[in-house]
Amino acid sequence: DGGITQSPKYLFRKEGQNVTLSCEQNLNHDAMYWYRQDPGQGLRLIYYSQIVNDFQKGDIAEGYSVSREKKESFPLTVTSAQKNPTAFYLCASSRLGQGLTDTQYFGPGTRLTVL
Amino acid sequence: AQKVTQAQTEISVVEKEDVTLDCVYETRDTTYYLFWYKQPPSGELVFLIRRNSFDEQNEISGRYSWNFQKSTSSFNFTITASQVVDSAVYFCALSEDSYGNNRLAFGKGNQVVVIP
Repeated sequence: DGGITQSPKYLFRKEGQNVTLSCEQNLNHDAMYWYRQDPGQGLRLIYYSQIVNDFQKGDIAEGYSVSREKKESFPLTVTSAQKNPTAFYLCASSRLGQGLTDTQYFGPGTRLTVL
Repeated sequence: AQKVTQAQTEISVVEKEDVTLDCVYETRDTTYYLFWYKQPPSGELVFLIRRNSFDEQNEISGRYSWNFQKSTSSFNFTITASQVVDSAVYFCALSEDSYGNNRLAFGKGNQVVVIP
């Protein structure tokens, strides 16, 4: 089955800890994205990558880091510098990279709670 | 300034009623793309439709229909004969071609509650 997987589904973190959210796709898509969703809000872009070994900051990149070492993987690290990390995190991918417009498809999400 | 406005925060309807979700967008690009996504309680966003700025034809897919009007910068979504399974948050989103990065600007979403 082709799709996007995110793990874990629920994640609890103590203040001051870094935590990494996993995102994997087997759709052979070039571009991948990370969004953050807060209650009653739309999605806000954290980071995106249009090709392996390259990524760009989105609108709310502070306190987050990413890597894109493989086409199918785009992990997101929430660092201790992120002041309010409790949120729902969604990963997406699209077939075309290089900035070409294409539909983004989403994974099931990870709900992060900081205790 | 918000690029995508979905004014109705929560809409409740009785099953079998029709419901229309309004989406107003703002862009200076001549080439752009509009999307609707559904977010059921499970959380995953499900793609529903994509429309480019040069195609103003309305579209119908089963009980779903979309009305795109460039003159009013609107891309409204109607669910006909609503069902309980339609209960979800629906997001409208805009991608502007001039940025060349396929970034999506999302509205805040419409929470639809279908009462049996």
